[in-house]
Amino acid sequence: DQQVKQNSPSLSVQEGRISILNCDYTNSMFDYFLWYKKYPAEGPTFLISISSIKDKNEDGRFTVFLNKSAKHLSLHIVPSQPGDSAVYFCAATDSGAGSYQLTFGKGTKLSVIP
Amino acid sequence: DAGITQSPRHKVTETGTPVTLRCHQTENHRYMYWYRQDPGHGLRLIHYSYGVKDTDKGEVSDGYSVSRSKTEDFLLTLESATSSQTSVYFCAISDGNTEAFFGQGTRLTVV
Repeated sequence: DQQVKQNSPSLSVQEGRISILNCDYTNSMFDYFLWYKKYPAEGPTFLISISSIKDKNEDGRFTVFLNKSAKHLSLHIVPSQPGDSAVYFCAATDSGAGSYQLTFGKGTKLSVIP
Repeated sequence: DAGITQSPRHKVTETGTPVTLRCHQTENHRYMYWYRQDPGHGLRLIHYSYGVKDTDKGEVSDGYSVSRSKTEDFLLTLESATSSQTSVYFCAISDGNTEAFFGQGTRLTVV
């Protein structure tokens, strides 16, 4: 049973436009959410996170929105740049469980077209 | 960059042989994790450790064992490698207060 779902395997966006990546979760115990970016042949790198007590977090061109009632989060990248082309993983954790283990979605491959 | 080193980076082994992957950290983080990444599956947790000699199973632990005898080292062992264990393996570390940092990965091929 997939607890974190990224239903779009791929997304293509023109350079300069907005990229919106979506993620849904089913486990109501998740209270901390993260986005990771992964280039080929490299390990995932942390991008941005959000706690369940917030509904928005911004860091430069990256904004994450959380809708707890819908169990949905999204990552907005504005403006998109060719260097943003990568696989983006949504991850979630139950910080009260004590292990801080992350549950990942299957990823969305973003292609930013120059 | 977080100090995480995975070794080896690439390995080809035969079915039925034992294989050990090593993760070494210099951050003194309490938590360490082993994930595998496969097409269509994202990253799945194999085992994790919450301290020296303290480990627990993750989502896909069958066929794998781990050991953590020192804070800085977390070993993943495939007792008898199978073709289904061909994958890219990532180690991650966390201090429990911030995000997890990942190593560069080990590409394992079982032939």
